[in-house]
Amino acid sequence: GAGVSQSPRYKVAKRGQDVALRCDPISGHVSLFWYQQALGQGPEFLTYFQNEAQLDKSGLPSDRFFAERPEGSVSTLKIQRTQQEDSAVYLCASSSRQGRNEQYFGPGTRLTVT
Amino acid sequence: DAKTTQPPSMDCAEGRAANLPCNHSTISGNEYVYWYRQIHSQGPQYIIHGLKNNETNEMASLIITEDRKSSTLILPHATLRDTAVYYCIVRVAEGQNFVFGPGTRLSVLP
Repeated sequence: GAGVSQSPRYKVAKRGQDVALRCDPISGHVSLFWYQQALGQGPEFLTYFQNEAQLDKSGLPSDRFFAERPEGSVSTLKIQRTQQEDSAVYLCASSSRQGRNEQYFGPGTRLTVT
Repeated sequence: DAKTTQPPSMDCAEGRAANLPCNHSTISGNEYVYWYRQIHSQGPQYIIHGLKNNETNEMASLIITEDRKSSTLILPHATLRDTAVYYCIVRVAEGQNFVFGPGTRLSVLP
């Protein structure tokens, strides 16, 4: 079946621009996570949704970062006024409430801020 | 901070077993041990997880010590495609985010 998909796969933004990154989780998965991965490091948690509710946003690095999941399926991570330090791979993961609770990750969006 | 420690890198000959260690000395009784791997330019891929019993699936085996303070991921017959960064993570419950450390970079050599 289809896995987690993310778009775009690559995004180049000039400093100060706003960007929107999309995540399509596995159908029926209630939990959705966003992570940020800097070059050479492990992914770092940004935010978590259960259905449409954002239950944890403690990992968002600043108020320029905003995530939403209005209908409990597709999610968008928005970064306003991008800075060079925002350059990273942004990963989305989803998991089912039932079962083994493992998270399934998408391929990520590589954001480069110039 | 990650609650696990792993060696930064390991080499393994193709066709041999790869044994990747992980220390998690502060693990709580209700925390599971998860293993993921990340092949270059891809998202992390789930491998296996366990609580206290050893586990095996089509990808790997997970051996957890009796005191649960450490574990070993075993890839029984490593191939070149197993070259990746392997992450060992402890987590208590559904809904919690994973806390990734730097992982172990496994290189499978021909």
